[in-house]
Amino acid sequence: QSVLTQPPSTSGLPGQRVNLSCSGSSSNIESNTVHWYQHLPGTAPKLLIYTNNQRPSGVPDRFSGSKSGTSASLAISGLQSEDEADYYCAAWDDSLNAVIFGGGTKLTVL
Amino acid sequence: QVQLQESGPGLVKPSETLSLTCSVFGGSISTYYWSWIRQAPGKGLEWIGYFHNSGSTNYNPSLKSRVTILVDTSKNQFSLKVTSVTAADTAVYYCARGRFKEYHYYMDIWGTGTTITVSS
Repeated sequence: QSVLTQPPSTSGLPGQRVNLSCSGSSSNIESNTVHWYQHLPGTAPKLLIYTNNQRPSGVPDRFSGSKSGTSASLAISGLQSEDEADYYCAAWDDSLNAVIFGGGTKLTVL
Repeated sequence: QVQLQESGPGLVKPSETLSLTCSVFGGSISTYYWSWIRQAPGKGLEWIGYFHNSGSTNYNPSLKSRVTILVDTSKNQFSLKVTSVTAADTAVYYCARGRFKEYHYYMDIWGTGTTITVSS
């Protein structure tokens, strides 16, 4: 069971906006920053968002991140078929003294 | 464009030591904080630890007694050793480049992963 909680799955229609949630606690999300990864099985996970809301070069501005208290969210607007993937949140945990991940959310584009 | 490629034995016997290598292409291994992460079948991602060429290391306390990460700058590679493996160490193992923004650590480039099975 992962320390960060993500819904196992979500879906949306092309062009829609979806929000992926990540819930943690005071020792991780509340006191540190959150990062988001996109992963297609068999490929290298890709960094989408770092330190809550920063996009690496090359990541479309359709992807945005936010954090409030012990929760974080990844928003994907203008949903496209190529967005169908697994999405993971990550953060440092001060109690565990380790990087921790959420269990991942599988996004299906209908 | 920096790329990472993991390599390993595929199959390891219980109680033996698992050794993996990550080759770094298109960039120097002398900077950044190099991490290993794994994902057991049906489970989430688990961070194993990171190593910096300066000697700075940080391991996940849950694995610290059994893991070692080393960097070989002459080959532009870094490695992971896991001792006394059991079936619970069966996983896809990823290597990644990590960095700090202020004091926040994150991994920005990952390899595609290598599958390790622990079985007799």
